[in-house]
Amino acid sequence: GQSLEQPSEVTAVEGAIVQINCTYQTSGFYGLSWYQQHDGGAPTFLSYNGLDGLEETGRFSSFLSRSDSYGYLLLQELQMKDSASYFCAVRDRNYGQNFVFGPGTRLSVLP
Amino acid sequence: DGGITQSPKYLFRKEGQNVTLSCEQNLNHDAMYWYRQDPGQGLRLIYYSQIVNDFQKGDIAEGYSVSREKKESFPLTVTSAQKNPTAFYLCASSPGGPDYGYTFGSGTRLTVV
Repeated sequence: GQSLEQPSEVTAVEGAIVQINCTYQTSGFYGLSWYQQHDGGAPTFLSYNGLDGLEETGRFSSFLSRSDSYGYLLLQELQMKDSASYFCAVRDRNYGQNFVFGPGTRLSVLP
Repeated sequence: DGGITQSPKYLFRKEGQNVTLSCEQNLNHDAMYWYRQDPGQGLRLIYYSQIVNDFQKGDIAEGYSVSREKKESFPLTVTSAQKNPTAFYLCASSPGGPDYGYTFGSGTRLTVV
C-alpha cells in the first residue's frame, strides 16, 4: 500500500516563509503533487514534481528527493489568503497511476 | 470557460434512499474521478474512469456506483448500502498521463437526515 505523512497544522505570520513537508512510502512512486484547498472549496492544483529538485511557480516552490521519499512545499511572502489546507499527493504506478492524497496540513497565516 | 460542474452543491438524503450526484466537464479530459472527503481528513478515491464505458473501483467503492456513458459526464450514485454517506464529495478530471494534475469541481455536500 501507500502512506503519506504531513504535519497537521502550521502557523506563520504575513510576509514570512513556511515549508510544509511530506514523506511518503510506496513501491510504485511516479511523482508528487501539491494541492491547496480553502475551507468548503475545491482543491486546486499547485505543482507537480516528477524528477528530483526544485520547481518554482511564483511565490510557491516544490521540492522532491526520490532517494529520501521526501518532498516539501515552500510558500514565500505569505499572505492572509494563503490560509488553507495543503495536500501532498503521490502518483502511484501500483494504484492505476492515480494520486494518493496525504492527510493535509492546515496553514494559518496571522497578521 | 472550461471546467467541472458538480450539482447539487448541497444534498439531503433520507435513510434508505439512493441519490445521484452529477459531474460534468467540458475540458475534453479523458480521465474522471470521484473522491470522498470527511471533516479534517484527506481525499479517498471512490471510483475512477480512464475512458468512456470503463471505470474502476477505488479504495472505498462499497455502497457507491458510477457510469461513464459520455466523455463529459461521470455521475455518482450513493446507494442505501452506503452506511455512512454524510461527507463532501469531489469530482475531478485529468487529461490522462502521469504528468498532469487534477482539476476539481466545487463539490457536493451530502447529509443524511
